Amino acid sequence: GQQLNQSPQSMFIQEGEDVSMNCTSSSIFNTWLWYKQDPGEGPVLLIALYKAGELTSNGRLTAQFGITRKDSFLNISASIPSDVGIYFCAGLWESQGNLIFGKGTKLSVKP
Amino acid sequence: ETGVTQTPRHLVMGMTNKKSLKCEQHLGHNAMYWYKQSAKKPLELMFVYSLEERVENNSVPSRFSPECPNSSHLFLHLHTLQPEDSALYLCASSQKTVNYGYTFGSGTRLTVV
Repeated sequence: GQQLNQSPQSMFIQEGEDVSMNCTSSSIFNTWLWYKQDPGEGPVLLIALYKAGELTSNGRLTAQFGITRKDSFLNISASIPSDVGIYFCAGLWESQGNLIFGKGTKLSVKP
Repeated sequence: ETGVTQTPRHLVMGMTNKKSLKCEQHLGHNAMYWYKQSAKKPLELMFVYSLEERVENNSVPSRFSPECPNSSHLFLHLHTLQPEDSALYLCASSQKTVNYGYTFGSGTRLTVV
């Protein structure tokens, strides 16, 4: 079945540093999504990407839909303590299908 | 508040108990999902309901029994659970005809003792 490889698995960074994480797949997707999960809460949608090559920003977050449609990355600039959490990528092939989730990147930010 | 409400937020139950988790959405979505999230494991899709019909059951043990009485409500009935069933149970909803992704609830933290 379809699988997403998300890396890195975890990151420990200093406040103010930039962060980059990515997802790759052997299958192509028509939609890429990035979610953030705070401790004890459900995942919340950060950015949605619908077109190959699309680059979208949401505040300090920037995500891109890879040209091959098999990968996506998420960058966080100038990290702050509240960026702590688990970031999930998710891919969707068709609207009638189910989202495929990566295993998550756990981000820790040291003040 | 995401638009998907789960109750209770926390639940502790014995292995012989019967309990139910509730999920409610008023986003007008036509699909609802149950996920299990265990420590250090990826999100596991358990059940999918589309237009109130169960369309997926990912080899989930029969001690978990879902119910979708209408498009706004989803239940997960639990009975004779095992300690390894302790996890965060997440409900999500979506509109199947568009690719806007899923909206998740805050989850129920379940502990089986």
